[in-house]
Amino acid sequence: NAGVTQTPKFRILKIGQSMTLQCAQDMNHNYMYWYRQDPGMGLKLIYYSVGAGITDKGEVPNGYNVSRSTTEDFPLRLELAAPSQTSVYFCASSYSASPLHFGDGTRLSIL
Amino acid sequence: GDSVTQMEGPVTLSEEAFLTINCTYTATGYPSLFWYVQYPGEGLQLLLKATKADDKGSNKGFEATYRKETTSFHLEKGSVQVSDSAVYFCALRRDTENDMRFGAGTRLTVKP
Repeated sequence: NAGVTQTPKFRILKIGQSMTLQCAQDMNHNYMYWYRQDPGMGLKLIYYSVGAGITDKGEVPNGYNVSRSTTEDFPLRLELAAPSQTSVYFCASSYSASPLHFGDGTRLSIL
Repeated sequence: GDSVTQMEGPVTLSEEAFLTINCTYTATGYPSLFWYVQYPGEGLQLLLKATKADDKGSNKGFEATYRKETTSFHLEKGSVQVSDSAVYFCALRRDTENDMRFGAGTRLTVKP
């Protein structure tokens, strides 16, 4: 059972570079989410999607973009990386209001 | 808006000690409440949940009771093990909302 798969696990970027964090789920969940986890701050919602073709901003969307062209995939795009985006990023999925299932995270450092 | 407040850590206990991690919430209506656990280098895993007042969630020896009168969902375990060392997150979700709100997390270290 793969569940929620995130790639890459680690990445170092230079300021101003761009990259896409990949997330895929094989549970046929309709809802998908991106959170960032900063030390001592819990998880903050960046973007979420309630189904293919539908995305909405969360609490901290600035500097990020998402797309949801299929039920399975929910990539997160950083266009101009900034040091403030150094964090651990978690993708999650759920079937409507059921509990979230999380991936193992992507640890991103921007130098 | 909705929010979750957890006791600050870190918490360090000896093996077989009793564990309590406090969690209180602020929310409109009747949210579902959750405890998630995060082991080193991994994502969050659902530990237990409760969906209405006075419900008790339990799993792996952990328990938490949904107390609406005190807006609390404290996590307890009678005898912790070294393998319980992790970060624990309290969270809430309302059926009318599309996202889940998390507390800041409490790091637990259990020493042999």
